Parts: sequence; C-alpha cells; structure tokens
Amino acid sequence: KAGVTQTPRYLIKTRGQQVTLSCSPISGHRSVSWYQQTPGQGLQFLFEYFSETQRNKGNFPGRFSGRQFSNSRSEMNVSTLELGDSALYLCASSLDRGQGQPQHFGDGTRLSIL
Amino acid sequence: GENVEQHPSTLSVQEGDSAVIKCTYSDSASNYFPWYKQELGKRPQLIIDIRSNVGEKKDQRIAVTLNKTAKHFSLHITETQPEDSAVYFCAASVSGGGADGLTFGKGTHLIIQP
Repeated sequence: KAGVTQTPRYLIKTRGQQVTLSCSPISGHRSVSWYQQTPGQGLQFLFEYFSETQRNKGNFPGRFSGRQFSNSRSEMNVSTLELGDSALYLCASSLDRGQGQPQHFGDGTRLSIL
Repeated sequence: GENVEQHPSTLSVQEGDSAVIKCTYSDSASNYFPWYKQELGKRPQLIIDIRSNVGEKKDQRIAVTLNKTAKHFSLHITETQPEDSAVYFCAASVSGGGADGLTFGKGTHLIIQP
C-alpha cells in the first residue's frame, strides 16, 4: 500500500506570494492533518480535515487554509507569504477520527521564502 | 491547550547501551501517546504508541511506559544500534490520533557512539 504522498517536495517563493501544497493520504484513510515543522518551534498542528470539512484548527493565522476533496486528498494554501513561513510542511493521514487511530506522515514539502 | 515537555534535547549513548527519553504533558484528558523517529531529511515514522488504559507496551527493543497520575511517559530503547541514531519526538492527543491534532515535544537527538 502506498504511503502518504506530498507534492511538490520543494518550493521557493517570495514574500507576498501564495502557495498551494498537495497531500494524497494512504488509500482508505479519511482523516488528513497538516503540521508545520521548523527548527525553532518544532512540529506544530495546523488543521485536520475529515469528510471534506475542517474539524480542528491549530493556532495559526487565517492566511493558512486548506480543503479536502471527496477522494480524501487535501490541499493546503498559504497566502501573503512571510519569511517566517519557511518550513517543512508535513501531511499525516489516519484511517478515521476515532480513538487509537495512528497518524502516518508524508515526506513533506519544504517551503523556502526569499 | 496541551503542552508537552521532552528531555533531554540531546542524548549520546554507547552502542549496545540503553537509552531513555522522557516526556511530560499538561492536559489530564490526553489519552493517546505516540512516539516518532525522524532521520535526517526523512519523514517522521511512528515507532510505538500507547493509550491511557495501558501502563506499558513493548515491541522488540523498544518500550514505552505511561504514568497517568504523574502525567509522564517514557521511551526505552535497549541494545542500541547505529541505526537508532535519529531525532525522536513524543506527542500527546486528547482524542487519540487525528481528531484533535498531536501536540509534540521539541525532540531528542539520539546519538549512538560506536
């Protein structure tokens, strides 16, 4: 079974631009979560999608948004990019939202803001 | 919200010795505690997890213990090998898995000395 797939692997943008990242979960997984990883702040939860609805959100500004499609694939969008948005963005999928459902991560998209 | 503290930030052990990484959490409602291993440039990989109704769980050389009263949990790696060198993250979740996002510790860089 294929793992979580994220595209693209690397992105370089400039301040003020916007970016869209894509995540395909493990086949059959319906919950998709996004995390930001930086050396200073570590791994931080952005939001979680299930059944095409955002179910939970971390402490990030509204510039960070996402969506989920009927096939459970998810996209994350960041608008008006800032230098501090440079990070590794990780997507994780789990089978369901119920208790005891482990999350499995993709390789991430490394976003660099110039 | 939940806060997870992880210690130590760096741990160096001789090959063949044991390694112990400790985490504490703040939200007594947390009931799911996974551990991830992240090698340089790679995705975080789930290595073991434990739920609040269990005090200890083992998988070959890896074990995790949970003390709900004290709100701390630990990762134990025995007979360490060079391939155990990586950054290890603990995490906690209230609903178990993807539903509310994982809160991560800052990570422990484990170095196995030959």
